[in-house]
Amino acid sequence: KAGVTQTPRYLIKTRGQQVTLSCSPISGHRSVSWYQQTPGQGLQFLFEYFSETQRNKGNFPGRFSGRQFSNSRSEMNVSTLELGDSALYLCASSFSGTGEDNSPLHFGNGTRLTVT
Amino acid sequence: GNSVTQMEGPVTLSEEAFLTINCTYTATGYPSLFWYVQYPGEGLQLLLKATKADDKGSNKGFEATYRKETTSFHLEKGSVQVSDSAVYFCALSDPSKSTFGDGTTLTVKP
Repeated sequence: KAGVTQTPRYLIKTRGQQVTLSCSPISGHRSVSWYQQTPGQGLQFLFEYFSETQRNKGNFPGRFSGRQFSNSRSEMNVSTLELGDSALYLCASSFSGTGEDNSPLHFGNGTRLTVT
Repeated sequence: GNSVTQMEGPVTLSEEAFLTINCTYTATGYPSLFWYVQYPGEGLQLLLKATKADDKGSNKGFEATYRKETTSFHLEKGSVQVSDSAVYFCALSDPSKSTFGDGTTLTVKP
């Protein structure tokens, strides 16, 4: 079974630009979550989607948005990039959502975003 | 809200040493508890999990027991190897989301 696939692996953008990251979950998984990982803040929850609906959202500004398609693939968008947005963005999928059936998260290898 | 506190790192051990990484949590209800491991350049991988009090999760020689009375889920391994060098994350999940600790970097020297 193919794992969670995130594209691209690396991105370099300049301040003020916008960026879109993509995540393909494991086949059959309907929940997709996004996390931001930085050395100073650790893993911060961005949002979770299930069946094309955002179920949960972390404490990030409105510049961070996402969506999920009918095939469960998900995209995350960051507009008006700031230097502090430089991070590793991780996508994780699970069968029915975190905690509901004790199923663990399956992570992709992440997209490394550098904002200059 | 929910929170997870992990033992601060980094931790450096010699091969075959005993490992303990402490993890305590605060949560309402009865969350499931997990340990994830992250190798350089990769995402997190599930190492082990426990879904109710007194459950013991185990995998690849690692163990952790869900202790409700002390709200803890400490990770242990009797004899570490160089290949165990990685970042370890303790996490809890409830019906809304997963909450992660800050991660503990383990380096094992030959």
